[in-house]
Amino acid sequence: DIQMTQSPSVMSASVGDTLNITCRASQGVYNYLAWFQQKPGKAPKRLIYTASGLHPGVPSRFSGRGFGTDFTLTITSLQAEDLGIYYCLQHHQLPYSFGQGTKLEI
Amino acid sequence: EVQVLESGGDLVQPGRSLRLSCATSGIRFEDYEMSWVRQAPGRGLEWVGLIRTKGHGGSADYAASVKGRFIISRDDSKSVAFLEVISLTPEDTAVYFCSGRPAAVHYDIFAVWGRGTTVTVS
Repeated sequence: DIQMTQSPSVMSASVGDTLNITCRASQGVYNYLAWFQQKPGKAPKRLIYTASGLHPGVPSRFSGRGFGTDFTLTITSLQAEDLGIYYCLQHHQLPYSFGQGTKLEI
Repeated sequence: EVQVLESGGDLVQPGRSLRLSCATSGIRFEDYEMSWVRQAPGRGLEWVGLIRTKGHGGSADYAASVKGRFIISRDDSKSVAFLEVISLTPEDTAVYFCSGRPAAVHYDIFAVWGRGTTVTVS
């Protein structure tokens, strides 16, 4: 099974900051990597698909990059509403697997 | 507009069974591989399993943690997916979400989610 490891687990940032969340796969997943944002008590929302594709309607301050085993979600010009937990997901191989999550505090 | 609605969650005693439903609209359901994802209280997201389209064999695959106790099925005529959970344990307490992807578009994973349905085993 493929293990997904995110870092950091928790991060604090201020409005206007640029930050990076990383996700590492235990084996290559090509670009079958998606990023999700989850706010308390809500369902996850997809931000990024195929490592770098921006989901329709998601602000352009969100971007993703990477291929193989190392991936990064970048948020520029951080806004207060960006608080939440961010997850990566590999869907290259079954069982699909999520990272453990990165909690973003503003 | 694509919509997903999970239902069937309840407070149940250990050892009992439960069937969850995932109703969809706005998609050609028969063309979608459907997955279930759960989230225990205060924990992260855990992929539980999926069911393929009839065109891809209609079979299901499961996470090792639930294999043998969870059964995923689908009714394409009603655009609904099901998750039957057998012999529930307190560790199955979670919010259960469903989502999917078009079978022919591998990259378009989990674009739309329902609000989830809560299963409490106690």
